[in-house]
This record gives sequence, structure tokens and C-alpha cells, in this order.
Amino acid sequence: SQQGEEDPQALSIQEGENATMNCSYKTSINNLQWYRQNSGRGLVHLILIRSNEREKHSGRLRVTLDTSKKSSSLLITASRAADTASYFCATDNEAAGNKLTFGGGTRVLVKP
Amino acid sequence: EPEVTQTPSHQVTQMGQEVILRCVPISNHLYFYWYRQILGQKVEFLVSFYNNEISEKSEIFDDQFSVERPDGSNFTLKIRSTKLEDSAMYFCASSELGARAKAFFGQGTRLTVV
Repeated sequence: SQQGEEDPQALSIQEGENATMNCSYKTSINNLQWYRQNSGRGLVHLILIRSNEREKHSGRLRVTLDTSKKSSSLLITASRAADTASYFCATDNEAAGNKLTFGGGTRVLVKP
Repeated sequence: EPEVTQTPSHQVTQMGQEVILRCVPISNHLYFYWYRQILGQKVEFLVSFYNNEISEKSEIFDDQFSVERPDGSNFTLKIRSTKLEDSAMYFCASSELGARAKAFFGQGTRLTVV
């Protein structure tokens, strides 16, 4: 089964606006992580939320996790042009063992 | 912040040739990974490595692929007899505590098979 699907696939906003993207998954998880990828570059870890946590903040990032709905959201507040990137959720779970399973990503364009 | 380094950044190879992609993980990390990303697609797990052996591998990681930690610092991915469909970005990652913790990714090697 597929694990970690983000929506929307693409998002275009003005600088200063908030960006919200969602991730859904199918099996129970241990943790869910969000990563950012600038075009053609490596993935940068943003935040990790454990299955027993419901919300986590880091700077302008806010992540929620609803294990009953098997979904997570990433909110970027007061977006900047530098936030333009693709954002991926990644999960790990007991069945999958020692690896991350990534979703398809949300491409965010922040227009100045 | 510590980083994972990968070389080369870009490799072009003829179909059927062998390539070796190199990575230097973060020095005190114990878990090492290779992932790949075909252009415009999702990041796919290839293999994880712990305690000097493969701990998991995906269906993609068939006999064409192998990994090695030849010394205390390098971690390599060898692809034998490359195919056109092996063209992708290959990312090395390392983690202190495995998949339950933050992973540090390298900048990737863009492999183009022609």
C-alpha cells in the first residue's frame, strides 16, 4: 500500500500568506517527518512528530498529526520567497522496518 | 551543522557500464541509507546499512546494486550494468538512531545513463 501522499500537489501563494499542505498515510506509524527539497538539491529535515504527539512547532512551521485520520498537516506561516521548494512527508513504521517512506510531495511557489 | 557529502554531483555513463556513487556520512552516525528520486517522482528507499551489513533493501535493490563501507568513513553504492531507467538522483543519508530519528541527506548524485 502507498504510504504518505501529500495534497495539494502544487500550491502557489503570495509572500506573507500562509501555506498549508496535508499528508495522508495508510498504515500505523511510529513517527512522521517533514522534509524540504529545493530544486535539484538534497532533502532538508524540518520537523519530526511522534505518533503520540498531536502538534509541534518550529519557528514558522506548525505540524499537526491526527492518527485517527492517518493524516498530518504542515503549516508555514508568513511565507517568504525563500520557502519556495517541494515539501515531503515521510513515515516510519514497525512493518516497514528501518526506512522512511516518502510521499509524492507538494510543490510550493511563494511569489514575491 | 554536520553534513553528508556525496561525490560526484553529476555522473554520465554509457548503458551497460558500472558506476560507483560515493558518500561520506556524518561521523558518529550508525545508520546509512541510499534513496533515489527519478525526475519529478517521489523519493524511493533503496537500502539501509547498519553494523556493517545491509539491514533492509527494497525490491528495486536487486543484484545489480551493491553497497559497501570500505573504510571507516565512506559508504558507496555500486550499480552494475547500468540501464536507461537507472537515471535518477541518488541520495545518501545517515542517521544517529535509524528511521525513528532525523535523517541527514547529502546533496545527491545525478546519474544520467545514455
